[in-house]
Amino acid sequence: DAGVTQSPTHLIKTRGQHVTLRCSPISGHKSVSWYQQVLGQGPQFIFQYYEKEERGRGNFPDRFSARQFPNYSSELNVNALLLGDSALYLCASTWDISRSTEAFFGQGTRLTVV
Amino acid sequence: DQQVKQNSPSLSVQEGRISILNCDYTNSMFDYFLWYKKYPAEGPTFLISISSIKDKNEDGRFTVFLNKSAKHLSLHIVPSQPGDSAVYFCAASRGAQKLVFGQGTRLTINP
Repeated sequence: DAGVTQSPTHLIKTRGQHVTLRCSPISGHKSVSWYQQVLGQGPQFIFQYYEKEERGRGNFPDRFSARQFPNYSSELNVNALLLGDSALYLCASTWDISRSTEAFFGQGTRLTVV
Repeated sequence: DQQVKQNSPSLSVQEGRISILNCDYTNSMFDYFLWYKKYPAEGPTFLISISSIKDKNEDGRFTVFLNKSAKHLSLHIVPSQPGDSAVYFCAASRGAQKLVFGQGTRLTINP
């Protein structure tokens, strides 16, 4: 069984550019969440989507946006990139959001902004 | 506002001995707690979880203890093995909402 898959694995962008990161959840999982992990810190919540609707948003600027597609895959978009956006972006999936349950993470996308 | 804290950035343990990783939280509304293990260049891997209605959960070499009155949880690994060397994150959630992570503890198992 495929786990959570993210693409690309690595990305280098220039300040001011735009980036799109992609995530495919585990088969059967309907919820996808995005997290940002900077060096030396734990992952920070960005967004949660369930059944194509936004169900939660972390403390990130409006330059960050996301969406979920009918097949439950998801995209994270970041506009006007800043050097501080350099981080590991993690996608996690759960099968639903009706109760607390473990989330399974992908390998992440390492974004470097230069 | 760091709601979940892991106050030990690193821990070194002899192979075969017990590893104890600690985590404190401030939000009494958290009702689910998890431990993740992370190797470099990989995403976090789920290890074990515990609901707030329990005080202990065991899975093989891994046991998580929850002390709600102290708002403290710990992960015990026994016996520790070299493959356990990684960064360990504790996380907490309320309902099915976002996970709030600690800063992580780097565990090194020495042969």
